[in-house]
Amino acid sequence: DAMVIQNPRYQVTQFGKPVTLSCSQTLNHNVMYWYQQKSSQAPKLLFHYYDKDFNNEADTPDNFQSRRPNTSFCFLDIRSPGLGDAAMYLCATSRGLAGLQETQYFGPGTRLLVL
Amino acid sequence: AQSVTQPDIHITVSEGASLELRCNYSYGATPYLFWYVQSPGQGLQLLLKYFSGDTLVQGIKGFEAEFKRSQSSFNLRKPSVHWSDAAEYFCAVVGTGNQFYFGTGTSLTVIP
Repeated sequence: DAMVIQNPRYQVTQFGKPVTLSCSQTLNHNVMYWYQQKSSQAPKLLFHYYDKDFNNEADTPDNFQSRRPNTSFCFLDIRSPGLGDAAMYLCATSRGLAGLQETQYFGPGTRLLVL
Repeated sequence: AQSVTQPDIHITVSEGASLELRCNYSYGATPYLFWYVQSPGQGLQLLLKYFSGDTLVQGIKGFEAEFKRSQSSFNLRKPSVHWSDAAEYFCAVVGTGNQFYFGTGTSLTVIP
């Protein structure tokens, strides 16, 4: 019973070609997060949505955008991928914000390769 | 500022041996602490969490962790490691602004 689903699991794109990664959840959680994880590094938060409110981390490049059309779905758009954007992208959800003793539930991730 | 340190980048243990993975945090108030496990090519799975109360926390897969405020530590333990425990382990703390701060992870290798 998948709770946080990410599609595709592997994505290959060309340098500069826009790409969209998808995340869906069956938990009906209010918060959805996108993380970038490079090889042998900790996940780095890019942004999160609390319901429809978008919260961007200060150091997230403008090249990264996100959309949340409804509670269940959230998309990560990379407008012009560079070689340095090759990474695992993790989606996570929580019922409320983390500071309220909420656990984050992670999807399996999408590994992005930029050629 | 909040931060998490996992001093051991890589640990190798024999199957059946005990395991302890170290985690030290920096946070001024009462921390919310988590341990996640990540198998190769997979997302993160929650092992256990500490919010308050009993400082010894039981998790899934036979793992436990002990919160020690005096040492700012939240070490993960397992009495007998199985080959399937080989993975990357991340400690995390929730800081101000409700953000998760992850450590850099400890890679566990289990030898037969």
